[in-house]
Amino acid sequence: DIVLTQSPGTLSLSPGESATLSCRATQSLNNKQLAWYRQRPGQAPRLLIYDASNRATGIPDRFSGSGSGTDFTLSLSRLEPEDYGVYYCQQYGDSYTFGQGTKLEIK
Amino acid sequence: VQLRESGPGVVKPSETLSLTCTLSGGSISNHFWSWVRQAPGKGLEWIGYVHNSGNSNYNPSLKSRVVMFLATSRNEFSLRLTSVTAADTGIYYCAKVGLSTVSLNLGWFDPWGPGTLVIVSS
Repeated sequence: DIVLTQSPGTLSLSPGESATLSCRATQSLNNKQLAWYRQRPGQAPRLLIYDASNRATGIPDRFSGSGSGTDFTLSLSRLEPEDYGVYYCQQYGDSYTFGQGTKLEIK
Repeated sequence: VQLRESGPGVVKPSETLSLTCTLSGGSISNHFWSWVRQAPGKGLEWIGYVHNSGNSNYNPSLKSRVVMFLATSRNEFSLRLTSVTAADTGIYYCAKVGLSTVSLNLGWFDPWGPGTLVIVSS
C-alpha cells in the first residue's frame, strides 16, 4: 500500500497569512495521482485539488497544488476565517489511500 | 448532482450493515460510485467502488466482507458489510469517483454525500 504522510499535524495562522501543507508518499505517483480535500467539523470532505494541481469546480485561486513523484504541496494564500478545517491528501496511483490530515486553525 | 446516504444507525455485532446512497440531479449510469468511511475522530478509509457494468473493486482489507451494487432504476447504489464489529463504527460516506484524463485512472471523490453515522453495538 502507498502510505501518505502529511505535515505539519497542526497549523495555526492568522487571516491574510499563507499556509503550506505537505504530503509525502512512500512510492512515486508517476502521473501526479493526488487529490486534496478539506473537511470542516460535522461535514463531509470537499474536493479542492485533483491530479496534483487542478482546482475543483468552485475552488478559488487562493488554493494551489503542486508537486510530483513522492512530494506534494497544497498552498493557501490570503487565508480567510472559513479556511479552517482538516486537510487530507489522497492518492489514486495504487488503490486509494488518504493521509492522516493536517488541521488548520485560523486565529 | 447530490448524494444522500440512508440506513440503520445501529447494527448489532456479527450482523450485516446495509446502506443505500440515492442520487439526485444526475444519472447513476456510466459512472463509478464509491463508499468511504471515517471512524470517530479518525481519518478516511476507502471501502470500494462499483459501476453499472458490474465492474467493482474493494479495499483488500475489507474485501471478504463487502459487496456493492447498483439499482439503476432507482438511481441508487448500496453497500453491504457482513460480520460487523465495533471497529466498523463510523461515518459512512458515498461519493462519485472522478476519472483522470491524465492517467486515465479512477481518481478522486467528488461530490460526497453528507454521511451517515453507523454504530455497531448490541
